[in-house]
Amino acid sequence: NAGVTQTPKFQVLKTGQSMTLQCAQDMNHNSMYWYRQDPGMGLRLIYYSASEGTTDKGEVPNGYNVSRLNKREFSLRLESAAPSQTSVYFCASTKTGGSFLSGNTIYFGEGSWLTVV
Amino acid sequence: TQLLEQSPQFLSIQEGENLTVYCNSSSVFSSLQWYRQEPGEGPVLLVTVVTGGEVKKLKRLTFQFGDARKDSSLHITAAQPGDTGLYLCAGVGRSGTSYGKLTFGQGTILTVHP
Repeated sequence: NAGVTQTPKFQVLKTGQSMTLQCAQDMNHNSMYWYRQDPGMGLRLIYYSASEGTTDKGEVPNGYNVSRLNKREFSLRLESAAPSQTSVYFCASTKTGGSFLSGNTIYFGEGSWLTVV
Repeated sequence: TQLLEQSPQFLSIQEGENLTVYCNSSSVFSSLQWYRQEPGEGPVLLVTVVTGGEVKKLKRLTFQFGDARKDSSLHITAAQPGDTGLYLCAGVGRSGTSYGKLTFGQGTILTVHP
């Protein structure tokens, strides 16, 4: 029962370096999300993909790019890492697209700890 | 932007005590969700409340949605060390740019000491 799998689990970057966080889900879900979690700020949405082939900005998209590679995979890229991007990143997925009005249940991965020095 | 304020941010209690966590907003939500997150893991959905005034129970946990659908509470009876974790509330927006979207509160870190 893998659910949502993220890699890497931990990463240390120098300012200006780039990296990609990988995410895959095996639940045949249509929608995928990237959140960041910072102390005292809860979870904030970076980008989401309501369905394969579409991506949209969330609350805090600046400094990030995403790629919905196929139905299973959704990657998050930091082109030029900054210390402000030090955070825990969570990938998540839901069965149906985008809206939580229909009672969508969101499933999270275990998180990726990123430190930018 | 809809904001959800959780209180308290930190809660440290002894095993067997009762506690309540609050989630408040000036905005009306379509529904309200509660999550529990353990260290090193992602949040896991505990419950969704949909109707104003609704009360749901999950063993020793009682969740209530305010009549006006702007606030919610989580009450734990006779807390156990296994209840330790981060509790998050999240509201589903019902209008404007927040329509259908999930907004998280900042979380309450609960520690239950044996």
